[in-house]
Amino acid sequence: SQQGEEDPQALSIQEGENATMNCSYKTSINNLQWYRQNSGRGLVHLILIRSNEREKHSGRLRVTLDTSKKSSSLLITASRAADTASYFCATDDGTALIFGKGTTLSVSS
Amino acid sequence: DTAVSQTPKYLVTQMGNDKSIKCEQNLGHDTMYWYKQDSKKFLKIMFSYNNKELIINETVPNRFSPKSPDKAHLNLHINSLELGDSAVYFCASSPGGSPGRETQYFGPGTRLLVL
Repeated sequence: SQQGEEDPQALSIQEGENATMNCSYKTSINNLQWYRQNSGRGLVHLILIRSNEREKHSGRLRVTLDTSKKSSSLLITASRAADTASYFCATDDGTALIFGKGTTLSVSS
Repeated sequence: DTAVSQTPKYLVTQMGNDKSIKCEQNLGHDTMYWYKQDSKKFLKIMFSYNNKELIINETVPNRFSPKSPDKAHLNLHINSLELGDSAVYFCASSPGGSPGRETQYFGPGTRLLVL
């Protein structure tokens, strides 16, 4: 069954604004990953956060993890038109990555 | 150099046909995967192979069969294609033997349309 659930399903912002996407999951995890998918392309790994970490940064990306609430958030600061894509969280059930349905982000200039 | 490549990129075929999708990775990874992404962008694991051994086989129809001639290749063969098989199929790979705990590297996808 599906593990991760992203929220919102779609998000439209202006260039320069921040974008926040949330992911909720159901069972305990070893780590949580975020991936980006540009239209018509494969998924690209963005960041992995382990279950004993609370926050992780990578460039303009900031990921938080709250294992007590079984949730994670991805913040993209100072968004650019090139950030337009679908963003997926993926959790680890011990044998495979289980992806959510994704958040579609649209950044307009 | 493309890390994970798939061929063909597009595949249009008739119901009942048999088709194959090829995948190759030049990353030296031990594990390869096949995913299916439906029209709502839901991505679901189908298979993974670790050192030529199947380690995950989700509840997919047995019309789908993965074949791995060596560690760098994992092909997907589909028999008796059905309309519901229309989707985008992604190949991916990861370095070691812990499928759920590693970064995965995805191919560009094969868009299959069954008419």
